Amino acid sequence: DAGVIQSPRHEVTEMGQEVTLRCKPISGHNSLFWYRQTMMRGLELLIYFNNNVPIDDSGMPEDRFSAKMPNASFSTLKIQPSEPRDSAVYFCASSPNPIQGASETQYFGPGTRLLVL
Amino acid sequence: RKEVEQDPGPFNVPEGATVAFNCTYSNSASQSFFWYRQDCRKEPKLLMSVYSSGNEDGRFTAQLNRASQYISLLIRDSKLSDSATYLCVVNLENYGQNFVFGPGTRLSVLP
Repeated sequence: DAGVIQSPRHEVTEMGQEVTLRCKPISGHNSLFWYRQTMMRGLELLIYFNNNVPIDDSGMPEDRFSAKMPNASFSTLKIQPSEPRDSAVYFCASSPNPIQGASETQYFGPGTRLLVL
Repeated sequence: RKEVEQDPGPFNVPEGATVAFNCTYSNSASQSFFWYRQDCRKEPKLLMSVYSSGNEDGRFTAQLNRASQYISLLIRDSKLSDSATYLCVVNLENYGQNFVFGPGTRLSVLP
């Protein structure tokens, strides 16, 4: 398996522009997570989906951020309009469906390094 | 108080040394616990899960103390390749996946 695939790997944009990050989870995994990592705040969960349905989006910073999962093999995280403080590494992760009473490993993609000027 | 706290380090140790990291969590209802490893400019990867009875994987030993709400990671006979940031992870839910990552502890193993 190719693992979790993210694109682009690097993105440099100007303030006010729309940014779309893409993720393809591992085939057969039912849960998908979007994280943001910065030096100041560490790794923060933004949103996670289970069976393509958003379960918890309480970590999404504000209305400028939106995430979709139209099918089991694709998700997007969109920032519109982008701001310099959005500069971070954005990771997508997937995991198999949790079995009742157990937790599953998360498999991370390589991340997208976003710089908003 | 942050939900998961770790000493950021860095811990600088010589090859062959034994090093231990602790992590504390604030939510007593936390269900499961993990250590992840993150190399510089790479994604986090699972190192090991932490079980109530403690568990060992080669040179790595993880312990959980629910009463005091902390978990630990012990690395014996450290190698240069162990240099990384170690992230403590807590799942707050039993039937869901509400993972909270600690800020990480940076380890440098020196020759």
